Amino acid sequence: GESVGLHLPTLSVQEGDNSIINCAYSNSASDYFIWYKQESGKGPQFIIDIRSNMDKRQGQRVTVLLNKTVKHLSLQIAATQPGDSAVYFCAEIRLSSGSARQLTFGSGTQLTVLP
Amino acid sequence: GAGVSQSPSNKVTEKGKDVELRCDPISGHTALYWYRQSLGQGLEFLIYFQGNSAPDKSGLPSDRFSAERTGGSVSTLTIQRTQQEDSAVYLCASSPRTIFYNEQFFGPGTRLTVL
Repeated sequence: GESVGLHLPTLSVQEGDNSIINCAYSNSASDYFIWYKQESGKGPQFIIDIRSNMDKRQGQRVTVLLNKTVKHLSLQIAATQPGDSAVYFCAEIRLSSGSARQLTFGSGTQLTVLP
Repeated sequence: GAGVSQSPSNKVTEKGKDVELRCDPISGHTALYWYRQSLGQGLEFLIYFQGNSAPDKSGLPSDRFSAERTGGSVSTLTIQRTQQEDSAVYLCASSPRTIFYNEQFFGPGTRLTVL
């Protein structure tokens, strides 16, 4: 079936290094892809999104890359900080009239920033 | 301003009991979502409310689950005859726009434990 999933469940990086979190998806009809950050005991927090007709989008310290050929999405975090430690979810959304603006989430990657 | 709030933050119940979970969305947000997050898993869509339209209940796992949204604001998710597999964090999110994709703002969730 259709799914959005992540390659690795955990990722550890040294403080100050760049982090790359990957995600694979299977539905070609997705309109948007979104990255969420979820800290322990909190709800997911929007980080950045990208439209399906784009290849790259940059935010503050974050960059999302979309490769539609291989159906792959990545989140790059520059100069990773301790506050970046969290679970990161990729999600896809399909816009269609008359139905829910559903988000389909991957299982998440736990990012741990080492001192 | 105030974000999405949920209550209770934690709920422990016995198998077979009914529970009600409450969500207060951000004022003015017309869309409201319920998700379920099992331990170490991604988010599972449950139900979606948009304005005065009939809710999209396609994600509800069984007829023991129901939700309502009164006055286009507060929503209650009810689980009847709870089972141990219902144990999870139940997340509510709201979104301000009705037509186009927009960011979903999540509450902190209610952790439900069914003994």
